[in-house]
Amino acid sequence: QITLRESGPALVKPTQTLTLTCTFSGFSLTTRGVSVGWIRQPPGKALEWLGIVYWDDDERYSPSLRNRLTITKDTSKNEVVLIMTNMDPVDTATYYCAHRPNLDTYAFDVWGQGRVVTVSS
Amino acid sequence: EIVLTQSPGTLSLSPGERATLSCRASQDISSRFLAWYQQKPGQAPRLLIFGASNRATGIPDRFSGSGSGTDFTLTIGRLDPEDFAVYYCQHYDSSRWTCGQGTKVEIK
Repeated sequence: QITLRESGPALVKPTQTLTLTCTFSGFSLTTRGVSVGWIRQPPGKALEWLGIVYWDDDERYSPSLRNRLTITKDTSKNEVVLIMTNMDPVDTATYYCAHRPNLDTYAFDVWGQGRVVTVSS
Repeated sequence: EIVLTQSPGTLSLSPGERATLSCRASQDISSRFLAWYQQKPGQAPRLLIFGASNRATGIPDRFSGSGSGTDFTLTIGRLDPEDFAVYYCQHYDSSRWTCGQGTKVEIK
């Protein structure tokens, strides 16, 4: 059974850096084709894809947020980390990590429960 | 950038009725890259359909997806009380994903 869980601060101040950790089980991020993505959802709004890290260390990011995002993986710990710099109140959202099973499936089949992050001074 | 437009914004139906949700792309897209998700309040999205018409594991067969080109449809054959939720279409293009703004299916 695949599970993912996000952890990290619930509150960050404007201009600070957000670091969220996605801890997963039931799969390996060393398996060819597997990847983990990050998606966020501001309150009452639609989903916004942020970025993804692949089994081969390739990383892709949303063009609008590329200069603020870093996604890394630690396969020994089964963790994926999202780093977002220069946080602003508009970044207030629920942040999800999600599993993409292979390169032939262009969707995320298992999601974490989400981490609510508020940006406020 | 491809934009996905979902309609209607809200669909008011009764249990047992058929729901038809639309997702229109701003230009032709491959059906391989189109997915549908269901989201209930306070919960994470749940994958329903990938590749435009393939049901994800454990998804009841009252959910079906279809379409090609710019027009895609999610159909819920007979609404169960647990199906009242928000539905999103999602598209993959050039190493990134975008979502529509969602359709809320509410109880009439």
